[in-house]
Amino acid sequence: DTEVTQTPKHLVMGMTNKKSLKCEQHMGHRAMYWYKQKAKKPPELMFVYSYEKLSINESVPSRFSPECPNSSLLNLHLHALQPEDSALYLCASSPNLAVQETQYFGPGTRLLVL
Amino acid sequence: RKEVEQDPGPFNVPEGATVAFNCTYSNSASQSFFWYRQDCRKEPKLLMSVYSSGNEDGRFTAQLNRASQYISLLIRDSKLSDSATYLCVVGGYNKLIFGAGTRLAVHP
Repeated sequence: DTEVTQTPKHLVMGMTNKKSLKCEQHMGHRAMYWYKQKAKKPPELMFVYSYEKLSINESVPSRFSPECPNSSLLNLHLHALQPEDSALYLCASSPNLAVQETQYFGPGTRLLVL
Repeated sequence: RKEVEQDPGPFNVPEGATVAFNCTYSNSASQSFFWYRQDCRKEPKLLMSVYSSGNEDGRFTAQLNRASQYISLLIRDSKLSDSATYLCVVGGYNKLIFGAGTRLAVHP
């Protein structure tokens, strides 16, 4: 089973709201990723977790706060977002980070910030 | 120069056509290479990994030329269902670098 699940599928929030995106995988993968994708653009890496520890932060603004509670779960906490943060947020996982392997993507959360 | 560059497209081809996508990458130390497919408003899905020896999966053939830092994808006998954006992806030590993608539209 190569499935990564994400909730919610769609999210509309105001600029003063706090919300969280959730991602889950049960493939035993030890690397998990958050990407942001704008229309007609490729995914942009935001964060990488390896063995539940933050490994890469691609200079993402602090209004995005990742969390990895355990090896199967990855959250992205959102606070005080801007309209330009509206995008598709994709979660992905791979077996490990040391040797780059195939990443499996979840279906994404489509976020609209008003 | 972008780390991964692809033909911009779009490619508009009739059913049954053969179409080829090209991709170049700038980091000679890159370790892994992939083609992903992304349908409109969906997530990227792995189409195939790319090896120096070349690899084929049905109608799809991928080639890697490390000396020229060049990757290709050939689709034979195009189907309507092949319409999508094809992303050339190159792996470094700890992350993937995505090309901007090439749009393919197959028409009847």
